[in-house]
Amino acid sequence: DAGVIQSPRHEVTEMGQEVTLRCKPISGHNSLFWYRQTMMRGLELLIYFNNNVPIDDSGMPEDRFSAKMPNASFSTLKIQPSEPRDSAVYFCASSRQGGPGNTIYFGEGSWLTVV
Amino acid sequence: TQLLEQSPQFLSIQEGENLTVYCNSSSVFSSLQWYRQEPGEGPVLLVTVVTGGEVKKLKRLTFQFGDARKDSSLHITAAQPGDTGLYLCAGATGGFKTIFGAGTRLFVKA
Repeated sequence: DAGVIQSPRHEVTEMGQEVTLRCKPISGHNSLFWYRQTMMRGLELLIYFNNNVPIDDSGMPEDRFSAKMPNASFSTLKIQPSEPRDSAVYFCASSRQGGPGNTIYFGEGSWLTVV
Repeated sequence: TQLLEQSPQFLSIQEGENLTVYCNSSSVFSSLQWYRQEPGEGPVLLVTVVTGGEVKKLKRLTFQFGDARKDSSLHITAAQPGDTGLYLCAGATGGFKTIFGAGTRLFVKA
């Protein structure tokens, strides 16, 4: 079975440009999470969806960040305009609510560098 | 604010040694999980503990959930170089939210 699929795996962009990260969760999973990981701050929860509805976006850093989940098999995280401090690894993850202990399955991450 | 504090932050040991890493919080969690992350990859689940006082074993790894469901420990017996990685604890609330500790970076030298 396919795991969580993220794209792009790596992106280098200039400050001020728009960045769109994409995620396809595991089929049948009804919760989707976006995390950001840096050496300084560790793994931070940005936003999570349940049944395509955003439940908690309190971790989204500021208005430059937005996330959507138009259907059960696709989500995007957009940064506009991007800044160097946004450089990090962005992970998408999914889980099936009602499954054992909220097991979360992570994608391989999107490595973003903003120069 | 729910926080998970892990200690130590970094651990470098020789092959064959034993070690314990800790995960502590002032909050109660409905379940607690341990993940392991290798460079260039996403975290992968090792174990989930649900019941206060629960102990689970996974080969040389022993996981314990505190009686009050606020803390957990991971003990590795006879560490091997293949155990090298970032160990993350994660706590789930009664809802959908799962938060992670900062992690313990383990390096096992051959």
